[in-house]
Amino acid sequence: AQSVTQLDSHVSVSEGTPVLLRCNYSSSYSPSLFWYVQHPNKGLQLLLKYTSAATLVKGINGFEAEFKKSETSFHLTKPSAHMSDAAEYFCVVSDSGMRFGAGTRLTVKP
Amino acid sequence: NAGVTQTPKFQVLKTGQSMTLQCAQDMNHEYMSWYRQDPGMGLRLIHYSVGAGITDQGEVPNGYNVSRSTTEDFPLRLLSAAPSQTSVYFCASSYSIGGGSSYEQYFGPGTRLTVT
Repeated sequence: AQSVTQLDSHVSVSEGTPVLLRCNYSSSYSPSLFWYVQHPNKGLQLLLKYTSAATLVKGINGFEAEFKKSETSFHLTKPSAHMSDAAEYFCVVSDSGMRFGAGTRLTVKP
Repeated sequence: NAGVTQTPKFQVLKTGQSMTLQCAQDMNHEYMSWYRQDPGMGLRLIHYSVGAGITDQGEVPNGYNVSRSTTEDFPLRLLSAAPSQTSVYFCASSYSIGGGSSYEQYFGPGTRLTVT
């Protein structure tokens, strides 16, 4: 069985400071992992994906994530937050179908 | 390409009414799915389809029906609406890479449904 846990329901950072959104997963197989972003009243957009190639994955808008099998983690990071990064972020695991985390709301303060 | 389209964008139903949420994609994707999004719960899979004529249940299928007569269309039917079905519904489509599950999904804009 697969599951995904986003460790923080809400993260608040100041503009220009680093962002860390944490995600742990469990899976019976070698999963694919994704991060999606949802801006207010919008649909979901793919930020990045891991599909068993390089463990450090670079995505759009300066985001990246590192797959750590020993820690079953796939944390999302960005060196410097921008006001436009304020949104809901979802970690997703996929082996026998897609399962979404509950989401982390990122707030960026000026 | 229009991508994944959903209609309507908003809908209000009374308890017991039925309706169909429409979803279409023009990317020739084999895999299509329906999710509902509720606060604090992420997206939960309702039903999915791996190709025309093939559908299966997801995590929360009760109260919903689907069919897939063409590759392009995947409508979601609410049989007898209940207040618990108030939610935002997203349709998604994807390729199925190598027949497995390592697929990236493309999402529609969503339908906001309120059942009173």
